[in-house]
Amino acid sequence: AQSVAQPEDQVNVAEGNPLTVKCTYSVSGNPYLFWYVQYPNRGLQFLLKYITGDNLVKGSYGFEAEFNKSQTSFHLKKPSALVSDSALYFCAVSPNTGFQKLVFGTGTRLLVSP
Amino acid sequence: DVKVTQSSRYLVKRTGEKVFLECVQDMDHENMFWYRQDPGLGLRLIYFSYDVKMKEKGDIPEGYSVSREKKERFSLILESASTNQTSMYLCASSSKLAGGADTQYFGPGTRLTVL
Repeated sequence: AQSVAQPEDQVNVAEGNPLTVKCTYSVSGNPYLFWYVQYPNRGLQFLLKYITGDNLVKGSYGFEAEFNKSQTSFHLKKPSALVSDSALYFCAVSPNTGFQKLVFGTGTRLLVSP
Repeated sequence: DVKVTQSSRYLVKRTGEKVFLECVQDMDHENMFWYRQDPGLGLRLIYFSYDVKMKEKGDIPEGYSVSREKKERFSLILESASTNQTSMYLCASSSKLAGGADTQYFGPGTRLTVL
């Protein structure tokens, strides 16, 4: 069975500093990996996904993520954090065969201080 | 842009009531999903549908049912609401891309409180 771990409940970073939100996964075969962001009282918004190809994936709002197959990780990164990046971030995985059923991590709250 | 709408943003119901949550998408997507979101548990899949009149159980289907009579509409039904069904409910849709690589697009959510 597939699973996702987001080891940090909360990440704190100062505005202008780089940020990393960690994600590791477990899936049979090759994965499809996704990052979503949720602002307060809103639904999830898609940020980026890894399907195949280049291990570095660029997404919305200046975010990027690096797929590392040997470490089964897909960490979300941004070179310079903004206060407006403060939100709840979810990593999700699905296998690349069969019907797409996403399995989500428990979420990481990012708090960017001015 | 893909638009997924949900019938209510906030809903308060009493224990034992029958509750309907409606979801509509405008992108002609084949796949539709219902999740519930609880603090510390992330999103958990309740039911999904890959075609009209088709439905499949997700990870936590107990106490819920669904209906998909039209392609654009997917309803979640709580037959007899209970307090442990107080949660945020999120609907999503995606196209039937081979291998499941397509993105799921989410609605704004319905925060349901059962008293």
